Amino acid sequence: AQSVTQLGSHVSVSEGALVLLRCNYSSSVPPYLFWYVQYPNQGLQLLLKYTTGATLVKGINGFEAEFKKSETSFHLTKPSAHMSDAAEYFCAVRYTGGFKTIFGAGTRLFVKA
Amino acid sequence: DADVTQTPRNRITKTGKRIMLECSQTKGHDRMYWYRQDPGLGLRLIYYSFDVKDINKGEISDGYSVSRQAQAKFSLSLESAIPNQTALYFCATSTVAPAGGFSGDYNEQFFGPGTRLTVL
Repeated sequence: AQSVTQLGSHVSVSEGALVLLRCNYSSSVPPYLFWYVQYPNQGLQLLLKYTTGATLVKGINGFEAEFKKSETSFHLTKPSAHMSDAAEYFCAVRYTGGFKTIFGAGTRLFVKA
Repeated sequence: DADVTQTPRNRITKTGKRIMLECSQTKGHDRMYWYRQDPGLGLRLIYYSFDVKDINKGEISDGYSVSRQAQAKFSLSLESAIPNQTALYFCATSTVAPAGGFSGDYNEQFFGPGTRLTVL
């Protein structure tokens, strides 16, 4: 079955430190990949997406993610965490020709002062 | 103004009551979705609709029904609410790839602010 795994339900970093949120998917066919962010009491909003082309994708708020086909991964990074980055992050996949988006369980990011 | 709106934002109800959650969008998208979010489970698809006449069950449709009243409106009903339907509910929209693009819908989904439902 198609699935998305986010390693770590909670990640805590210090302000200014590197943010790394991990996402792996199960598929032999490269899917379309997304990262969404959910701030408290809000809906999800798109951070970035990969559909084709360059495997390093840049998104909003300084986030980026790299699609690695050999590792079936799409990890999210940000060089320097800011307090405003504290939120829940969801990795999601949509398979070619498909219409359903499959979401990971989410990773809550805490940023310490 | 928000592109995807949901009403109510919060609702507390009792077991056995019928509840309707409403979603409206001004994005002009054909596709609309209802998800529920539970801690540790991410988002799970309840129903989706590709146009007014096309409604489909998602992975957890039991106990729910939907109505697509217009392109812009998609309502979710709980016919007889039960406590394990306590969750955060999201409506979302999307559109298909433009002609000449990839087959299928590779675009992102746009989410409403959510409805927090508590069933006592």
